[in-house]
Amino acid sequence: SYELTQPPSVSTAPGQTARITCGGNNLGSKGVQWYQQRPGQAPFVVMRYDSDRPAGIPDRFSGSNSGNTATLTISRVEAGDEADYFCQVWDNSVGHPVFGGGTKLTVL
Amino acid sequence: QVQLQESGPGLVRPSQTLSLTCTVSGDSISRNTFYWNWIRQSPGKGLEWIGYVYYRGTTDYNPSLKSRLTVSVDTSKRQFSLQLTSVTAADTAVYFCARSTVITPRYFDIWGRGTLVTVTS
Repeated sequence: SYELTQPPSVSTAPGQTARITCGGNNLGSKGVQWYQQRPGQAPFVVMRYDSDRPAGIPDRFSGSNSGNTATLTISRVEAGDEADYFCQVWDNSVGHPVFGGGTKLTVL
Repeated sequence: QVQLQESGPGLVRPSQTLSLTCTVSGDSISRNTFYWNWIRQSPGKGLEWIGYVYYRGTTDYNPSLKSRLTVSVDTSKRQFSLQLTSVTAADTAVYFCARSTVITPRYFDIWGRGTLVTVTS
């Protein structure tokens, strides 16, 4: 079965740039989504189709996907960005949805 | 806007059946562009997809749960449901219902708030 690998944690100072990675075999050939989940809340999508921001997501959030790694980049990090972030893929080659293990972003 | 709301018992005895319902408001459950999913998250853990139902009743399940799982839809009530049999403590989790796109790459665009189900005697 297909697997996605994320670092357990990433720390960034306010105003700096956070980069959260997601690794998978030939991941660049698949569309990757990213979800943000704050404690006690449901996840919501912050990036879809590798680099498309849904309405209402700040342009500080950007995404890329190439080779075996997708990256969610958060520029000018704010305290409110502190959350868990999960990557996800689901296409015909990956028959069922797969989530990465999640990365806890800590804003120092 | 579209909203999803989970409902069901918060406590289930071991070996019994876990039953949850998700009610859809703000839009039709019968659109041919969406799947209706269940996803769970064990305490302090990641997300695990459970299964989905299409408005016509077609389903697909996580292979690891398939033998114990039934997901169904009632379009007249705008609801879809989850039944998981023979539960153990390992099934303790927050259960989310979520809508996903049918067109690939599929993603979950609307989520319920989640409901905690604890399996305990």
